Amino acid sequence: EVVMTQSPATLSVSPGERATLSCRASQSLSSNLAWYQQKPGQAPRLLIYAASTRATGIPARFSGSGSGTEFTLTISSLQSEDFAVYYCQQYNYWPPYTFGQGTKVEIK
Amino acid sequence: QVQLVQSGAEVKKPGSSVKVSCKASGDTLRSYAITWVRQAPGHGLEWMGGFIPIFRRAAYAQKFQGRVTVTADESTNTAYMDLSSLRFEDTAVYFCARGLQGADDVFDIWGQGTLVTVSS
Repeated sequence: EVVMTQSPATLSVSPGERATLSCRASQSLSSNLAWYQQKPGQAPRLLIYAASTRATGIPARFSGSGSGTEFTLTISSLQSEDFAVYYCQQYNYWPPYTFGQGTKVEIK
Repeated sequence: QVQLVQSGAEVKKPGSSVKVSCKASGDTLRSYAITWVRQAPGHGLEWMGGFIPIFRRAAYAQKFQGRVTVTADESTNTAYMDLSSLRFEDTAVYFCARGLQGADDVFDIWGQGTLVTVSS
């Protein structure tokens, strides 16, 4: 099973600042990585797939990069609605699909 | 607009089974992969298994092998997840999700979640 490790666990950022979230895989994934956003009491929302492709309706301030074992989600200028937990998911080796443990982006 | 609507919260005793439903509206399930993900209180996301209706084939996480079954009823456009031999640690919110068209392995439409509580 591929282990996904996200860092940091919590990221404190002021509105308008840039946030950079990391995701590391225990094996090479090529570009088979997705990012999701989850707010309390809600289902996850797909943001990015294929490491860097934004899902339909996702604002341009969200961008993904990386390949192999190292991936990054960048939120260029944090808006109030972006404070949430973010998960990465690998889909290069399945079953099972595996998720990282999440990064909580909180208001500084 | 496609929506997935799940069945309501359940309280179950250890050793029993639970069946959660996921009804699609606005599109047919036939062409999409449906997956099930759970989230224990205060924890992250855990993939359990998925069903690809058009191939009538399911795949499961090893952790749940033998305890989970995912199915779909095309006549009612509804997917199901059956989890047996429930344990206290199965207390979680269970989500169904649809595979993105052209990229089945990522999930673009999610149900609202169903809380399953295992309690004696």
